[in-house]
Amino acid sequence: GESVGLHLPTLSVQEGDNSIINCAYSNSASDYFIWYKQESGKGPQFIIDIRSNMDKRQGQRVTVLLNKTVKHLSLQIAATQPGDSAVYFCAETSTSGTYKYIFGTGTRLKVLA
Amino acid sequence: EAGVAQSPRYKIIEKRQSVAFWCNPISGHATLYWYQQILGQGPKLLIQFQNNGVVDDSQLPKDRFSAERLKGVDSTLKIQPAKLEDSAVYLCASSSRISGAFFGQGTRLTVV
Repeated sequence: GESVGLHLPTLSVQEGDNSIINCAYSNSASDYFIWYKQESGKGPQFIIDIRSNMDKRQGQRVTVLLNKTVKHLSLQIAATQPGDSAVYFCAETSTSGTYKYIFGTGTRLKVLA
Repeated sequence: EAGVAQSPRYKIIEKRQSVAFWCNPISGHATLYWYQQILGQGPKLLIQFQNNGVVDDSQLPKDRFSAERLKGVDSTLKIQPAKLEDSAVYLCASSSRISGAFFGQGTRLTVV
């Protein structure tokens, strides 16, 4: 299928290594964040979320870190697999507002065999 | 739990024609979103509904785009007349107060 991100920043990692994808968010009032994975020809898939009362949250092979001081999020993927190849987006919203989700520009992750 | 359903998956139309997209959100999700995703970019919000009321349509080109969510469940997004720059993927998402936003597979629109 057609690629969703031909001109996005790209992170290339060796299979089995850990990946770290970064995201800077824009709104100081944002207090809820989601990481999405988007494969070619598909809609964004919810991976993991974090609320602003937490600094870290772990899922299966994924960890999200939140630094509110510098408005920065990161997604860490352990033991990266070929199936992790996709475009990754962070999204932010304010739960005291309208729950409008604003997306970052995205990062393409390429897993090298 | 069934996900967000969208149709059609693909659509090719000529410029100045009209087109409509349909979305069925996750059951019980009061909030429904339509996003436009142009190749190489992140999704951009077009319109957000809370039940059947519009919460945010500030980025919707209202001279050609319209959307409705009758009965607070299904939604349709229409473009009339279409322009070449409307070629994009149109994504529908839904959420509740206790969940994040979940997306459908999208409709890929090509305007020729």
